[in-house]
Amino acid sequence: DGGITQSPKYLFRKEGQNVTLSCEQNLNHDAMYWYRQDPGQGLRLIYYSQIVNDFQKGDIAEGYSVSREKKESFPLTVTSAQKNPTAFYLCASSEGLAGGVNEQFFGPGTRLTVL
Amino acid sequence: KQEVTQIPAALSVPEGENLVLNCSFTDSAIYNLQWFRQDPGKGLTSLLLIQSSQREQTSGRLNASLDKSSGRSTLYIAASQPGDSATYLCAATGNQFYFGTGTSLTVIP
Repeated sequence: DGGITQSPKYLFRKEGQNVTLSCEQNLNHDAMYWYRQDPGQGLRLIYYSQIVNDFQKGDIAEGYSVSREKKESFPLTVTSAQKNPTAFYLCASSEGLAGGVNEQFFGPGTRLTVL
Repeated sequence: KQEVTQIPAALSVPEGENLVLNCSFTDSAIYNLQWFRQDPGKGLTSLLLIQSSQREQTSGRLNASLDKSSGRSTLYIAASQPGDSATYLCAATGNQFYFGTGTSLTVIP
């Protein structure tokens, strides 16, 4: 079955730690995205990537970093510089970037809690 | 910047009722409008995608319509069931994907 996987499902971080969230897709999609979801605020775009070895900042990139070394993988690192990282993180992919008839597909999410 | 609004934020209906969820967007220059379902603690599941050249799309008991000129899309759910209880989000596609904050639907048995 084609789809998007995210791991872990739950993640706990201590103050000052960096943590990395995994996102893998086998849909052969070029574009991948990371969103953050907070109650009452909807989805906010953190980073997106159109192609391997290229990525762009979204609306709330401060305190986060990404890499795109393989087409199928787009890991997100939440650094200690992110002041309020407790949230639900969603990874998504689409055949191409927004700007065309591109349907987005989402992974199951990772809930990050800072202790 | 595109703004997407979904009203009401929450809706409760008795089982079997037909219902309409609303999605409004401020910039009519969109490529498509996508509807999603989200269960608590889960990711988003794509329900329907309406291309800008289309007026509506149907899947089973779901029907989504799009009126670009008025900046509105609706998701019609026929004969609602308790299993339809979830949050429904819409997203308008321009140069990026713009999401509404969702409508939380509860179908009461």
